[in-house]
Amino acid sequence: GQQLNQSPQSMFIQEGEDVSMNCTSSSIFNTWLWYKQDPGEGPVLLIALYKAGELTSNGRLTAQFGTTRKDSFLNISASIPSDVGIYFCAGPKAPISGGYNKLIFGAGTRLAVHP
Amino acid sequence: SAVISQKPSRDICQRGTSLTIQCQVDSQVTMMFWYRQQPGQSLTLIATANQGSEATYESGFVIDKFPISRPNLTFSTLTVSNMSPEDSSIYLCSVARGGGGGDTQYFGPGTRLTVL
Repeated sequence: GQQLNQSPQSMFIQEGEDVSMNCTSSSIFNTWLWYKQDPGEGPVLLIALYKAGELTSNGRLTAQFGTTRKDSFLNISASIPSDVGIYFCAGPKAPISGGYNKLIFGAGTRLAVHP
Repeated sequence: SAVISQKPSRDICQRGTSLTIQCQVDSQVTMMFWYRQQPGQSLTLIATANQGSEATYESGFVIDKFPISRPNLTFSTLTVSNMSPEDSSIYLCSVARGGGGGDTQYFGPGTRLTVL
């Protein structure tokens, strides 16, 4: 079945550093979603991408939909302690059909930020 | 976006019992989803719940173990039946909302279940 390969699995960085994480798939996707999950909470949608090549920012976060439609990356600039959490990429389980599809998730990137 | 609440937020249950989790959305939605997140793991879809029809279950999940109700367009329940310690997980509901291309989902805060 479809899989999303997310890397890195975890990161330990100093406050102020930039962070980059990515997701790849063997299948073409028409949507890429990036979520953040804080401990004890549900995932919160950070950025949604709908077009190949699309580059979208949300504050210090920037995400891009790869031109091959099989990958996406998320960058966090000038990290702060509240960026700590788990970041998940997600895409529709039926990659091409569109509409309200079921999601599959990457394994997550666990981010720790040292002050 | 969507405002989603879940009850209970957490519970500790005994083996062999059942727990019903409620999910309430602030506006009408067509599709609601239930996910499981096992400790330290990612999210796995359990089933899709449409109002007025039977829930559709993913491979590895069955209705007898995870019965779902969807009585109206703002509410759904998931029951975890005959629980065992392996059912200890966070259970999350989500709703689909159309974005620029369609497939965007918003999640509730989750229900953290511990089975002893």
